[in-house]
Order: sequence, then C-alpha cells, then structure tokens
Amino acid sequence: AQSVTQLDSQVPVFEEAPVELRCNYSSSVSVYLFWYVQYPNQGLQLLLKYLSGSTLVKGINGFEAEFNKSQTSFHLRKPSVHISDTAEYFCAVIRSSGTYKYIFGTGTRLKVLA
Amino acid sequence: DVKVTQSSRYLVKRTGEKVFLECVQDMDHENMFWYRQDPGLGLRLIYFSYDVKMKEKGDIPEGYSVSREKKERFSLILESASTNQTSMYLCATQTGQGGEKLFFGSGTQLSVL
Repeated sequence: AQSVTQLDSQVPVFEEAPVELRCNYSSSVSVYLFWYVQYPNQGLQLLLKYLSGSTLVKGINGFEAEFNKSQTSFHLRKPSVHISDTAEYFCAVIRSSGTYKYIFGTGTRLKVLA
Repeated sequence: DVKVTQSSRYLVKRTGEKVFLECVQDMDHENMFWYRQDPGLGLRLIYFSYDVKMKEKGDIPEGYSVSREKKERFSLILESASTNQTSMYLCATQTGQGGEKLFFGSGTQLSVL
C-alpha cells in the first residue's frame, strides 16, 4: 500500500520569501507523484507531476518539485511567493500501473503575509 | 478546458434525509471519483467509476452509494444522512490514461443537522 505524509499542516511565510512544502511517501512499487493546489472556495487543480525522467519538475505559477527516490520525498518549492499563493497544497501518489486510486496527503495550508 | 460541475455549492439537510449530490463532466472522461475533504484528513476516496454502470468502493464507502447511468454524470447518494457526513464533497474526473491528472469540481459543502 502507498501512503503520503505532509509534515507541516500550516506554513506562514512573508511575501517574496522562498518556501518549501514537504512531502514524503511510502511505497513498495513504482509511483507517480503530484502536487495539487486548492484556492479558497475552489476545487483542486494540478500544479505539477512527476512520472519519469528528470527528477526536477517545473509546474505552473513558478513552482517546482524535486523527486528524491532515496529519501522518498517530493518537496515543493518556490523561490519567491506572492500573496496570491495563499492556498492549501496537497501532495498525492498513485501506483504507476494497475490502479487509478490516488492517495492524498493531509494538506499544507500556505499563508503568505504582506 | 474540462468542466466538472457540481450541482450545489452549499447544501443543508436534516438527519435521516436522503441526499443526492450530482456531478456532470463535459469531456467524455472514463473515470469519475467522489472524495470527501475534512480538515486534517485530506481527501478520502468514497467511490469511483471507470465506466457507465461500473463502480468500485474507495476507502470510506459506508453510508454512501453511487449511480452512473450516463458517462457524463456521476451521482453520490447518502441513503440516510447523518451528522458525521457533514463535510466538503469533491467530484473529480480523469481521462483513463495512466498517470493523467484529476479534474475537480468546485465542491459541495454539505451540512447535516
């Protein structure tokens, strides 16, 4: 079975500062990894995904994430955040074959302060 | 762009009522999902459907059923609503290709009193 851990439930950061949201996963089989963002009163939308290839993945709105197989991590980073990045961020995994069942983390609420 | 429409943004029901949550997609996606979202618990899968009239239980199916009579529509049914089913319900669709992203509706906040 797969599992996802997002250690930080809330991350406050000042505008224009860098941010890292942490995600660790556990799986005995190969997985695909995703980050989704949920803005207030909206559904989730995809930020970025890792399927294979380069371990550094770039997404929308200046976000990027690095897949680290040895540390089973997929941390999300942005070098300079904006007020508009205030949202909840979810890490998710899915087995790379045989199922469409996504496993989501518990979410990290990013609050960008002026 | 894919559009996933959930019929109600907010819903208030009484304990014991039968509740229908509707989800409609406009992109001919094979897979459709119902999740519930609770603070500190993230998203948990209730049911998913991979074809018309085909369904599979997720992690928390108890107290829920689903219906998919047409490809574009996936309904979540609470046979007898209870207060512990107060939650945000999210519908999502996916093309059916491996590794493809989920498209989400904007959610239905259900309160059961």
